[in-house]
Amino acid sequence: QVQLQESGPGLVKPSETLSLSCSVSNGSVSSGSYYWTWIRQSPGKGLEWIGYIYYSGSTNYNPSLKSRVTISLDVSKNQFSLKLRSVTAADTAVYFCARVIINGWLRFFDPWGQGTLVTVSS
Amino acid sequence: DIQVTQSPSSLSASVGDRVTITCRASQSISAYLNWYQQKPGKAPKILIYAASTLQSGVPSRFSGSGSGTDFTLTISSLQPEDFATYFCQQSYNTPFLTFGGGTKVEIK
Repeated sequence: QVQLQESGPGLVKPSETLSLSCSVSNGSVSSGSYYWTWIRQSPGKGLEWIGYIYYSGSTNYNPSLKSRVTISLDVSKNQFSLKLRSVTAADTAVYFCARVIINGWLRFFDPWGQGTLVTVSS
Repeated sequence: DIQVTQSPSSLSASVGDRVTITCRASQSISAYLNWYQQKPGKAPKILIYAASTLQSGVPSRFSGSGSGTDFTLTISSLQPEDFATYFCQQSYNTPFLTFGGGTKVEIK
């Protein structure tokens, strides 16, 4: 079955850019049947959807993060990536990547990667 | 934005108990409501989608109901492996997806 795995630095300095990648195995990010998404979880804010990307490259972002977020696709590596600019301590969280199942307006996340903790600190 | 509010935020129950968790949306979301289970240190796992459809492989003791603004996740007979945190998530306001705050189910 499809598996996802996050990778990237666990420590980022304030004002810098957080960069994470998600590698997909046993499935293709080129599939038109799914979106690919990033979600984060922090003690203060629970689960927060960050944004998603379609195989065509089209994206949708959480309005609260839109000005700082870019999600991109690398079909050759079968992975997708997250960049979050100008980070602060409030961006400290566990970051998950996931596949989005689409059925009309229905969207749910399955499966998820294991998650990676990113701490913003100098 | 559509807000989803879960209650209670935590509960204590015993093995064998019937457990009910509710999720209320700030406006009607039809049946576009999903439920997840998360165990400590793990990613959430989908249990129920479209308010009442059990994901493949999920035990039948889990069930979901509701439409409009009020939804329920029920565990008919709590098992030791069910102690976890449960989240709801709405997708009516696609593409802007939001989660409830979570309900932690603890051992009494």
